[in-house]
Parts: sequence; C-alpha cells; structure tokens
Amino acid sequence: GAVVSQHPSRVICKSGTSVKIECRSLDFQATTMFWYRQFPKQSLMLMATSNEGSKATYEQGVEKDKFLINHASLTLSTLTVTSAHPEDSSFYICSASDTRRDTEAFFGQGTRLTVV
Amino acid sequence: RKEVEQDPGPFNVPEGATVAFNCTYSNSASQSFFWYRQDCRKEPKLLMSVYSSGNEDGRFTAQLNRASQYISLLIRDSKLSDSATYLCVVNGDNYGQNFVFGPGTRLSVLP
Repeated sequence: GAVVSQHPSRVICKSGTSVKIECRSLDFQATTMFWYRQFPKQSLMLMATSNEGSKATYEQGVEKDKFLINHASLTLSTLTVTSAHPEDSSFYICSASDTRRDTEAFFGQGTRLTVV
Repeated sequence: RKEVEQDPGPFNVPEGATVAFNCTYSNSASQSFFWYRQDCRKEPKLLMSVYSSGNEDGRFTAQLNRASQYISLLIRDSKLSDSATYLCVVNGDNYGQNFVFGPGTRLSVLP
C-alpha cells in the first residue's frame, strides 16, 4: 500500500511552546489529509480535514488558531500545536487520501506529544 | 446518536475461537466501509474493505447490510496475534473526504 510518513514520532515540549508535526505522502499525491487526535483508551477523533491549496476545515470544538494546519503541496501537510499545554498531550495521527483515485486513507505512524 | 457505533468490548476469547464484531452507522448515504486494526497506541492499519457482496480474506470475513446499516467482521480460528482494537470506519461520500471512525472494539485472544 501507499506510504505516509509522519514526523516526529515522539516529542516532549515545555508548556507554552509550539510543536510542528509533519505528514508526508511518499509515493502518491494526497489531495486530502486528515488530522486526528487520540486520547488514552479512546478512538480516533477527527480534528480537521485539509485539501491541498485551501484552508482546513475544522471539526466542532477544535480551535483553529491553536491547531494550525498547512497543506501547501500534494505531498506535505503540517500541524502546528501553538502554545501547547499539558491537556494537549495526546497521540496525533495524520492520514492521507488521493480522492481522485480511490477512497482508502493511509495513515502516518502517529506522533506522541507530551507537554510538560 | 453517534454516526458509527461499536461495542467497545473487551472481547476475551480463547485461541481458536470464532468471534464476531458488529458496527452500525447512521448515515444511509455512506459509500465505503472498512475495518481497521489498531495495536496499542499505534496507527490504524487497514484490515479489509467491506463490499456489498461480502468479502473474505483468510480467517477474516466482512459483510455489509445496507438495509440495516450494519457491518460485521468475523474472525475464525483466533490467534494470539489477533489481539488488538478493531475500528469500523465509514466513508460518508464518494470523495474520500468524510471518514468517520467507530470507537473500536477491543479483542484479547487468550492462550
């Protein structure tokens, strides 16, 4: 299957700092990328959907000014957690889809963020 | 009502057992259906797509009932390595832009 690379896999940061997470599709063009968050013992919760070249669509309750998403190219999307706080500690996963070809989504490896 | 619902489990079954999971979805316009497997705090991985005619992949059988809006996954001859969380995923449209995840069903296969 297609490969999606997410980086970093783990990050620890101080409260108040910003963290950038990258999601790259390595062997296909991702017209749409999804960002999810997963808290312990819970399922994936969609945070936002981004289409290449346009602004991301955020789910209700997700602060767009806090979670900045950029999808400037067909192979790269970034999620920046600004002014991170301990309650932002979570597992963040991206997935990518080429909506022109099929409907399957390929997932990155996930990023475990710990804010101390 | 949640868009995609699953029994969270856990299902604790002995090796060799047959276990079945169900998933219900609320959007009758949903187009694509998948089962993903997620190991502890790792990324979900596609287990199989679910087709209207039903499909089988080795010990795994998936079925879709559009009239009743539910999807099932059957695992035969359970292995220890099948222990994981199984996520039902529904794609709400033809453009791959509306994936909805169920809460997952946790399976533990016991020796």
